[in-house]
Amino acid sequence: AQKVTQAQTEISVVEKEDVTLDCVYETRDTTYYLFWYKQPPSGELVFLIRRNSFDEQNEISGRYSWNFQKSTSSFNFTITASQVVDSAVYFCALSGPGVDTGRRALTFGSGTRLQVQP
Amino acid sequence: ETGVTQTPRHLVMGMTNKKSLKCEQHLGHNAMYWYKQSAKKPLELMFVYNFKEQTENNSVPSRFSPECPNSSHLFLHLHTLQPEDSALYLCASSQTSNSAKLFFGSGTQLSVL
Repeated sequence: AQKVTQAQTEISVVEKEDVTLDCVYETRDTTYYLFWYKQPPSGELVFLIRRNSFDEQNEISGRYSWNFQKSTSSFNFTITASQVVDSAVYFCALSGPGVDTGRRALTFGSGTRLQVQP
Repeated sequence: ETGVTQTPRHLVMGMTNKKSLKCEQHLGHNAMYWYKQSAKKPLELMFVYNFKEQTENNSVPSRFSPECPNSSHLFLHLHTLQPEDSALYLCASSQTSNSAKLFFGSGTQLSVL
């Protein structure tokens, strides 16, 4: 069975602080995909990143960076110099390898609510 | 604008009502999904359609009835719901159901009285 754990329910920071959102996953698949989505107050989930299990290189995109560590089954997300517009709920998700596995759809964590105070 | 449009944005219904949620995607995708987001649970997959065929039903009660007339439209028909069905219902689409990159709509906030 697949499982995604986001232990931090809510985080509050002051603008310009760095913040890391934790994500730990469980899967029996050797090939899998990890995702982060952002859910602003408007409700829709916005795709941020997808990572496959064979690519452990960390990724940086502007103020966002992701640290994938297969050894600890973690895929953490860091926002550098946070801004008020970063306030949202962030979801980590996991997907199986696809193609006739029955585990194509995403398994989501419970989300972390980030509040960035001005 | 994610290319996935859901209507209505908000819906209040009684337990004996029948209503439908609508989802439309303008991305040329072939897979569509319904997810349920409750206040105290992770996002839960409900249904998956791939090329108009239902490929997954995640043990959803029969009071939720999906319909996918074509690859661009997805409905969720609701009848005799329970108060615990109150939640945000999110529609998503992807190129195919093997493509794990999903695009989500803004959801329908459903309240069952």
